[in-house]
Amino acid sequence: EAAVTQSPRNKVAVTGGKVTLSCNQTNNHNNMYWYRQDTGHGLRLIHYSYGAGSTEKGDIPDGYKASRPSQENFSLILELATPSQTSVYFCASGDAAGGDTQYFGPGTRLLVL
Amino acid sequence: QQKVQQSPESLSVPEGGMASLNCTSSDRNFQYFWWYRQHSGEGPKALMSIFSDGDKKEGRFTAHLNKASLHVSLHIRDSQPSDSALYFCAASEQSNYNVLYFGSGTKLTVEP
Repeated sequence: EAAVTQSPRNKVAVTGGKVTLSCNQTNNHNNMYWYRQDTGHGLRLIHYSYGAGSTEKGDIPDGYKASRPSQENFSLILELATPSQTSVYFCASGDAAGGDTQYFGPGTRLLVL
Repeated sequence: QQKVQQSPESLSVPEGGMASLNCTSSDRNFQYFWWYRQHSGEGPKALMSIFSDGDKKEGRFTAHLNKASLHVSLHIRDSQPSDSALYFCAASEQSNYNVLYFGSGTKLTVEP
């Protein structure tokens, strides 16, 4: 079973503050993804990466940056957090070969006050 | 507007019954479809993928794809209380199959 971990699991931040969400995968997957989940919207893709050093914009990248320093680690950065970024954030990894089923982490619940 | 629409929003079936979930898309570039399941407090987990027209069966789960109408469905036979969860349909384009577009989900409740 694929293993994707996220930290922190819960975070309270202040408006205008910087927030970094971290993700680690031990599956040696090339691809990694960051989503946010909001009621009524399902999961929406923020950023993704095809490997170390690469980041790509997803559907809703505004207000977010991403960093992929290694195969295992993928971070999501909110430079100036806003209350509209209050959400549950999921990281996922996937193997580029044959269909790319994605394996999700347990999620990070972020509250921006 | 979301590219992937799911119906119904919520569904309740008795234990042992059949649950049927639907998914449609307006984007004819979508070629690949997945069903994911999310239990409360957890991350989504892939149930099955379907890339060709017709049926695909895995245990109690059967997916059906009609690419002409961009409709995909999931049928759960002999539903169990443990099947109670949020079910997502996801789709991707042939040109970039790594990028998934998710529907807003169907909440399934299986009543004992």
